[in-house]
Amino acid sequence: AQRVTQPEKLLSVFKGAPVELKCNYSYSGSPELFWYVQYSRQRLQLLLRHISRESIKGFTADLNKGETSFHLKKPFAQEEDSAMYYCALAGANSKLTFGKGITLSVRP
Amino acid sequence: EPEVTQTPSHQVTQMGQEVILRCVPISNHLYFYWYRQILGQKVEFLVSFYNNEISEKSEIFDDQFSVERPDGSNFTLKIRSTKLEDSAMYFCASSRGLPGGNSPLHFGNGTRLTVT
Repeated sequence: AQRVTQPEKLLSVFKGAPVELKCNYSYSGSPELFWYVQYSRQRLQLLLRHISRESIKGFTADLNKGETSFHLKKPFAQEEDSAMYYCALAGANSKLTFGKGITLSVRP
Repeated sequence: EPEVTQTPSHQVTQMGQEVILRCVPISNHLYFYWYRQILGQKVEFLVSFYNNEISEKSEIFDDQFSVERPDGSNFTLKIRSTKLEDSAMYFCASSRGLPGGNSPLHFGNGTRLTVT
């Protein structure tokens, strides 16, 4: 079974503070992990994927297979980062499984 | 950039009525999906569709649900006899291939279904 756990519902930080959004997963095979973001009144959109090892909008995420984690990090949060963030897992089938999501609120 | 479009943005229906939610996936995509999000809960997989047939479905996707690609562009979700608990935001998505790193899902804006 595929499972994604995002243990926190809300993270509120001040502008310029570091951000870490936690994601843990459960999957017996080799998963592919993603972070999706949903800004206010906009659609879900892909933020980044683990295979690219890229930094998007200052965010990075490293897949840690030992800890089965894929935490999303940004060293200095900006107000425009305020959004809902979803961690997602793709297995060997055509199903993408989402975590419950976390609301990131960045205060000025 | 091409987008997945969904209509209507909001649908209100009475319990027991049939409802059809419509989606136009991105034109060169081959995999199509429906997800739903009940208010305050997570985004849940309903069904994936490839090569004119269902490739995966969840336990939520029971006999009351069906999907169809009636022509080359539309992808629809039908709920035959709606229940109050079907009230949710329904998202359509598409991808070029299986949802791996090189084939991310592209989502529509969603249809908010309210069953009264």
